[in-house]
Amino acid sequence: GAGVSQSPSNKVTEKGKDVELRCDPISGHTALYWYRQSLGQGLEFLIYFQGNSAPDKSGLPSDRFSAERTGGSVSTLTIQRTQQEDSAVYLCASSFRSRIDRDNSPLHFGNGTRLTVT
Amino acid sequence: AQSVAQPEDQVNVAEGNPLTVKCTYSVSGNPYLFWYVQYPNRGLQFLLKYITGDNLVKGSYGFEAEFNKSQTSFHLKKPSALVSDSALYFCAVRDTLYSTLTFGKGTMLLVSP
Repeated sequence: GAGVSQSPSNKVTEKGKDVELRCDPISGHTALYWYRQSLGQGLEFLIYFQGNSAPDKSGLPSDRFSAERTGGSVSTLTIQRTQQEDSAVYLCASSFRSRIDRDNSPLHFGNGTRLTVT
Repeated sequence: AQSVAQPEDQVNVAEGNPLTVKCTYSVSGNPYLFWYVQYPNRGLQFLLKYITGDNLVKGSYGFEAEFNKSQTSFHLKKPSALVSDSALYFCAVRDTLYSTLTFGKGTMLLVSP
């Protein structure tokens, strides 16, 4: 079946511009995560959506970062006034929160969006 | 708070030899532990997890990991490495008090022929 889809796969933008990154999770997956992967930094948690609950935004590095999840499906990560330190691969993951596994269900990752801020 | 450490940036092993990729964690409650693998130019894939029960868990591609509560470790192991195992491996932890996963910085495994 279809996996997690992210677009665009690559994005080059000028410093100060706004960017929007899109994530289409696996159909039926109620949990959606955004992570950022930088060289030497591993995976940095950004934000977590679970069903209709309020998102966990505790990982967003600054108020320039925001995310929405519309209709419990597609999510958009927005970075305003991009800075060079925002350059990274942004990964989206989704999971099905089963009654048994709950928050321990395996995450299914997309291939990421590589953001380069010049 | 929850955190995970992968003390080795890179592990080198010859094909056919056993491999170990180290992971230690810190949590306030009880840990749920995971290993993910990232092959070149591909997304992260789930390998295995420890939730409860037997301390030795088996996962995909012949990998296994041992949970050691006293040493707060969850090392990834494989009895006989393959060149195709060369990839970036991430350990992750979730405290029972939280809903999100915290990942380590990753360990690059290089298996030479």
